Amino acid sequence: GQQVMQIPQYQHVQEGEDFTTYCNSSTTLSNIQWYKQRPGGHPVFLIQSVKSGEVKKQKRLTFQFGEAKKNSSLHITATQTTDVGTYFCAGNFGNEKLTFGTGTRLTIIP
Amino acid sequence: GAGVSQSPRYKVTKRGQDVTLRCDPISSHATLYWYQQALGQGPEFLTYFNYEAQPDKSGLPSDRFSAERPEGSISTLTIQRTEQRDSAMYRCASSRRRQETQYFGPGTRLLVL
Repeated sequence: GQQVMQIPQYQHVQEGEDFTTYCNSSTTLSNIQWYKQRPGGHPVFLIQSVKSGEVKKQKRLTFQFGEAKKNSSLHITATQTTDVGTYFCAGNFGNEKLTFGTGTRLTIIP
Repeated sequence: GAGVSQSPRYKVTKRGQDVTLRCDPISSHATLYWYQQALGQGPEFLTYFNYEAQPDKSGLPSDRFSAERPEGSISTLTIQRTEQRDSAMYRCASSRRRQETQYFGPGTRLLVL
């Protein structure tokens, strides 16, 4: 089936260090989105792309959609305690169904 | 409304009972999605509506699950003859149009005893 895998599953970083999560699909994605879910909260949209090879920057976030539209990464520079949560990528495979990845749970060591 | 709302926030029911969950999307949003999210997992697609049409219900786990959006705004998700494995967080999301940013509601946590 169409699956979206993420690595790592968990990441513990010292406050101020950088963090990256990676997303991979075996099938071409038409659209990739990233969401953040705080503990006890709901997924909140961060960023998305439909363009092959696109790189986007938003403050401390850098997002990349691979050339083959099968992988993506989300990078956070100089993490802060407010970055704690689970980061999910989610993709469409040419239809409306959004398939979420397995998530990367980020914890920050103050 | 200002955001997506869902009710009830928590529901405890006994195995075999029917439950109905409600979602009130952002008022201008055409598309509405239902997801099931197990603890520690990502949301899993159940079904979606474009206005009142329901083009894809492929994610509904069984025929005990059904959803409606009769007037293209509020939606309900009904689970008949609940089973313990139905225990999960049920999330609703809406978007202005298909494949655009989805805005999630707070979810309904369902516990089937």
